[in-house]
Amino acid sequence: KQEVTQIPAALSVPEGENLVLNCSFTDSAIYNLQWFRQDPGKGLTSLLLIQSSQREQTSGRLNASLDKSSGRSTLYIAASQPGDSATYLCAVRPPRQLTFGSGTQLTVLP
Amino acid sequence: DGGITQSPKYLFRKEGQNVTLSCEQNLNHDAMYWYRQDPGQGLRLIYYSQIVNDFQKGDIAEGYSVSREKKESFPLTVTSAQKNPTAFYLCASSRDRGGTTDYEQYFGPGTRLTVT
Repeated sequence: KQEVTQIPAALSVPEGENLVLNCSFTDSAIYNLQWFRQDPGKGLTSLLLIQSSQREQTSGRLNASLDKSSGRSTLYIAASQPGDSATYLCAVRPPRQLTFGSGTQLTVLP
Repeated sequence: DGGITQSPKYLFRKEGQNVTLSCEQNLNHDAMYWYRQDPGQGLRLIYYSQIVNDFQKGDIAEGYSVSREKKESFPLTVTSAQKNPTAFYLCASSRDRGGTTDYEQYFGPGTRLTVT
């Protein structure tokens, strides 16, 4: 059974720092990996989708990488801002269903 | 605007009562999903549907039921058999071409259910 782990569970950084969030998964036979953002009490917003044949995806200040063989993905946030404060979840898709990690709660201090 | 709507945002029920959560999408997506989220945890899949009049159990389907009579709608009923129904419920949808690509899921704003 696929398991997804996100470390650390919480992270607090000063504004302007570059940071990396980690996601690891146990079964490398995935179709894609998706990073989401969740604000308190809200639904999930899709940030980046990486297909299994891709190594990375970029959107603005966000860059996500995927290493299937080692079962890892990282989400890099450049020049962090207080508005980036949220919980970041990664999810992998085996045949049909997304399997989610428990998220990293990010706080960017002004 | 295209998107997924869930209603109501907050729902309160007495123990022993069934309750139905609404999910509607106008994205013309084939597949729809229901997830449950508990504090500090990731999402767990309750049910999903890839086509009208068909749905499949997810990891935690016990105590829940769904229907998919229309492509746009996928209501979730939380029955009295669900032992711990208080949670945040999220609906999602995606295009599902049956292949391995183009499978981004889009989420609604969620319904917070409290059962006392």
